[in-house]
Amino acid sequence: AQKITQTQPGMFVQEKEAVTLDCTYDTSDPSYGLFWYKQPSSGEMIFLIYQGSYDQQNATEGRYSLNFQKARKSANLVISASQLGDSAMYFCAMRESRNSGNTPLVFGKGTRLSVIA
Amino acid sequence: EPEVTQTPSHQVTQMGQEVILRCVPISNHLYFYWYRQILGQKVEFLVSFYNNEISEKSEIFDDQFSVERPDGSNFTLKIRSTKLEDSAMYFCASSEWGSPASSTDTQYFGPGTRLTVL
Repeated sequence: AQKITQTQPGMFVQEKEAVTLDCTYDTSDPSYGLFWYKQPSSGEMIFLIYQGSYDQQNATEGRYSLNFQKARKSANLVISASQLGDSAMYFCAMRESRNSGNTPLVFGKGTRLSVIA
Repeated sequence: EPEVTQTPSHQVTQMGQEVILRCVPISNHLYFYWYRQILGQKVEFLVSFYNNEISEKSEIFDDQFSVERPDGSNFTLKIRSTKLEDSAMYFCASSEWGSPASSTDTQYFGPGTRLTVL
């Protein structure tokens, strides 16, 4: 079964508008972390934002915020005031604890965001 | 700002040849990982490494693969006899010690090595 589901293969947004990229996850582990990474056309993986399962507040990092709805198991990324440089592939990922500090990230299939001038 | 580095950025090899991909993790990080991304697909976990031994490996990480930390800074992935299907982007990542419910768990990725097997 998919642990991370990103249902939007591609999204378009007008420059300066906000956009929400969807991510749902599946875990029975009470301790986990959720991550968003950006992959521009150059290929590198850039960490954007982190949300821990015990965090009471939604994470924010500059123009990025994470809409964390634990009961619904969703961790949507919101990008405010989109810029042309935001055009990239965006991956949602999760780490479960499994009583180990070294568990791998599990990635979704990604959403390709295109920002239109 | 500290970053993960990887060399080479692009490696072209003939099928059946051995390749070694190199990574220098962030200096105070203790956990190291290799992931790969076949073109157009999602990122897949290969192996994690801590305290000079493999912590976990995926089904992809078969006997053709090995990892090593030959000194205090480098972390390498070796593919003994490359196959066409090994063509992919290979990412090294590192993280500090911490549980997944802590921000210190964040894995920082290197820029990747694009491996092309002909």
